[in-house]
Amino acid sequence: SQWGEENLQALSIQEGEDVTMNCSYKTYTTVVQWYRQKSGKGPALIILIRSNEREKRSGRLRATLDTSSQSSSLSITGTLATDTAVYFCAARNMGYKLTFGTGTSLLVDP
Amino acid sequence: EAGVTQSPRYAVLQEGQAVSFWCDPISGHDTLYWYQQPRDQGPQLLVYFRDEAVIDNSQLPSDRFSAVRPKGTNSTLKIQSAKQGDTATYLCASSLRGRGEQYFGPGTRLTVL
Repeated sequence: SQWGEENLQALSIQEGEDVTMNCSYKTYTTVVQWYRQKSGKGPALIILIRSNEREKRSGRLRATLDTSSQSSSLSITGTLATDTAVYFCAARNMGYKLTFGTGTSLLVDP
Repeated sequence: EAGVTQSPRYAVLQEGQAVSFWCDPISGHDTLYWYQQPRDQGPQLLVYFRDEAVIDNSQLPSDRFSAVRPKGTNSTLKIQSAKQGDTATYLCASSLRGRGEQYFGPGTRLTVL
């Protein structure tokens, strides 16, 4: 999982496989956002889940949030080569500040 | 709609030199953020503005870093005397007040030799 002092995690899978990335957070939050960052680009929001939601779906993406364990996960089904990127979770506080995790580097081989 | 633009895209300096980064947020976005992203790490907030006011600069190394947003639109981040440890990508993001989504620019990749 990503957070704290951990280094960037790396995953390598084949196109078509499903993948799940985990994240644990330490600060109080009511919203966890997942961002995707492709090489040479800034991060882009792909899915957002609130504390009153246990699960959120958007196309091939599925996010879960467990506030009791302060953890979140992102699953991608039927991965494509274009899903190759670094994925970050970010905990948002009441002032809209984001605290990002260390990220998961996903490589999807075509 | 144009996205967040940043310039320059790359900068290479010797230690002790100064550098400025410029950010043009999405039109109408009142909140602007500057992040530092070291290689293989997540973005770390340095400072953020609402309109022209600094809301939080607690993570900005104030002895060498400064940031302004004088008219509540464009912003400049300056490093007065760069150190090798400043090597990172500097990202600018903007958002609308009360909306959680931040829109990021492509970043400026800084290398300090």
